[in-house]
Amino acid sequence: DAKTTQPTSMDCAEGRAANLPCNHSTISGNEYVYWYRQIHSQGPQYIIHGLKNNETNEMASLIITEDRKSSTLILPHATLRDTAVYYCIVRVGETSGSRLTFGEGTQLTVNP
Amino acid sequence: AAGVIQSPRHLIKEKRETATLKCYPIPRHDTVYWYQQGPGQDPQFLISFYEKMQSDKGSIPDRFSAQQFSDYHSELNMSSLELGDSALYFCASSLGLGAPSPLHFGNGTRLTVT
Repeated sequence: DAKTTQPTSMDCAEGRAANLPCNHSTISGNEYVYWYRQIHSQGPQYIIHGLKNNETNEMASLIITEDRKSSTLILPHATLRDTAVYYCIVRVGETSGSRLTFGEGTQLTVNP
Repeated sequence: AAGVIQSPRHLIKEKRETATLKCYPIPRHDTVYWYQQGPGQDPQFLISFYEKMQSDKGSIPDRFSAQQFSDYHSELNMSSLELGDSALYFCASSLGLGAPSPLHFGNGTRLTVT
C-alpha cells in the first residue's frame, strides 16, 4: 500500500473549519483513501473514504486532487469533541491485503 | 446502529497465563480484523478472517491464535503472556473483503499483564 505523509499536529479554533492535509504521492490507481480518527484510547472511528471524486458525508468532506497524489479532510465546523488523532490511510481495492495500515497521524487540537 | 462489541473491556493477567478476547461484529459483517495498540503507538494489524478463513496475517506472535466462528464472531487466544503484551486490542469488522468497504472498530479490550 502507498505510504502517506501527514503533519504531526495542527490546531483549530472551535467553530472554524479544520483542513487536514495528506500526501500520498505513490498511490496506485486501485487504491482508496480512507480517513479515521482516534480519540484517546477509544477505537478508531471511520470518517470517510474516496477513490477519485470528492466525497461528503455528515461528518466531513474529502477533497482528492486530480492527480490523486494528495487529499484534504475538511471538518466544516470543528468542535472540542473533534480533538483527536486523524489518520489518512491508503488501502488497495482488492481482496488480498485487506488490512488498514495505520501510520503516524495528525494530532488535531480544537481550541475554545 | 449496532456496533462492534468486544469483551471483556478490561483484563488483568499474570505473566505466563492465557487470555481470550472476544469480538462480535456488526450484524451481516463477514470479515473481522484484530489490532494491537501499545502505549503511545499506532494500531498494528495482527490478523483478519473472511467467511471463517484467515484472509491476512500481520505481526501476530506465534503465541497468539485466532479464529472466526460460524456466527462470525471471533476470538483471539493469547498464551504464555508477557509484560510486553500489555496493550489495547481492537477488533474491527467489515462487509466483504477489501476496499472500498470500510472497517468499523470496537472500543477495545485493555489487557494488562503483571
